[in-house]
Amino acid sequence: DVVMTQSPLSLPVTLGQPASISCRSSQRLVHSDGNTYLSWFQQRPGQSPRRLIYKVSNRDSGVPDRFSGSGSGTDFTLKISRVEAEDVGVYYCMQGTHWPPWTFGQGTKVEIK
Amino acid sequence: EVQLVESGGGLVQPGGSLRLSCAASGFTFSSYWMHWVRQVPGKGLVWVSRINSDGSGTSYADSVKGRFTISRDNAKNTVFLQMNSLRSDDTAVYYCVRAMESWGQGTLVTVSS
Repeated sequence: DVVMTQSPLSLPVTLGQPASISCRSSQRLVHSDGNTYLSWFQQRPGQSPRRLIYKVSNRDSGVPDRFSGSGSGTDFTLKISRVEAEDVGVYYCMQGTHWPPWTFGQGTKVEIK
Repeated sequence: EVQLVESGGGLVQPGGSLRLSCAASGFTFSSYWMHWVRQVPGKGLVWVSRINSDGSGTSYADSVKGRFTISRDNAKNTVFLQMNSLRSDDTAVYYCVRAMESWGQGTLVTVSS
């Protein structure tokens, strides 16, 4: 199984400042079809997860452009350009290249300082 | 608007069974793979099972293989998760997920005597 490792696990940030979350996979995530199936999810307190980013860098509909994804191979990053209060929650990366199983990172808790 | 509404959760004794349902609306259900993902309250996301669009292909996490069965009824736009031989470590919120992109609100399963 592909192991997804996120860092940091806790991220205190100041409103208006940038934030960055790293996700590393134990195997390269390039699929034989050429795509890299790495997604990012946001889970606000008390809510279900919501997908923000798919295939490394594609934002889902309605996701603010302050969220961006990047990376390749085994190293991936989610960046928030300017953190807002509504961004508080837990962020998960997930790989869908080498399935089953689909595997998630441990989660990174973003909170306001 | 995509809607996924889970039901069937509750309290069950160890060794018991439960059948979860997920009613889908707002999209062409028969065109999408469906997944179940679970989350112990306060913990991370764990993929449980998937079924392809016509129901001919399924996959399971090792932890539930042989105990859980996923199925779907495309005429009723519903996906199911039959859970047998339940254990205390199956206690979690179970989410129905469309193609690892859209999530339901979850249903809580508690396995306890």
